[in-house]
Amino acid sequence: EAQVTQNPRYLITVTGKKLTVTCSQNMNHEYMSWYRQDPGLGLRQIYYSMNVEVTDKGDVPEGYKVSRKEKRNFPLILESPSPNQTSLYFCASRRTSGGPNTGELFFGEGSRLTVL
Amino acid sequence: SQQGEEDPQALSIQEGENATMNCSYKTSINNLQWYRQNSGRGLVHLILIRSNEREKHSGRLRVTLDTSKKSSSLLITASRAADTASYFCATVRTYTDKLIFGTGTRLQVFP
Repeated sequence: EAQVTQNPRYLITVTGKKLTVTCSQNMNHEYMSWYRQDPGLGLRQIYYSMNVEVTDKGDVPEGYKVSRKEKRNFPLILESPSPNQTSLYFCASRRTSGGPNTGELFFGEGSRLTVL
Repeated sequence: SQQGEEDPQALSIQEGENATMNCSYKTSINNLQWYRQNSGRGLVHLILIRSNEREKHSGRLRVTLDTSKKSSSLLITASRAADTASYFCATVRTYTDKLIFGTGTRLQVFP
């Protein structure tokens, strides 16, 4: 089954304790992205990756890091989480073959993070 | 910054009625997409309409695009309780590869 898998789905942590949210897709997609969703603000892009070893900042990258060492994985790292990073996080992927803007994003089920 | 803005923010209807949601955007686009999100779950792609298309259908969904007014609408016909969800439009700006989401319309369909 084609899917994007995120872990953990729920996490409560404390300020300053490094954490990683993993994301894996089995569709051989080149493009992967992280979003955060907050009430009234919609989805905002944190980082994205066009392919292995190629990453770039989205709209709200501060406080986050990413890496893309393998095509299927795109982990999101919070080196020193703060309460304003409490949010619902989504990983998404899509193909890029055939040119840009080729269509639908496939989303993971989300990771709800609370930073105390 | 948000590209698309949905209207209304919330919509409540009875089963069997049609639901119409609108999306306005600010810049020229390559395509516009609609997504659905059940409460707290991942978004699911519904339909994509390209800038050179004016209308597209998929099952009970009908999407229109008016590039002169920079707006799109999503019509769900004969709504069902299972259609209860948030609906987001997302645009891909011309000459970019970036998908930008609006803030969504919350649809409640009562049985």
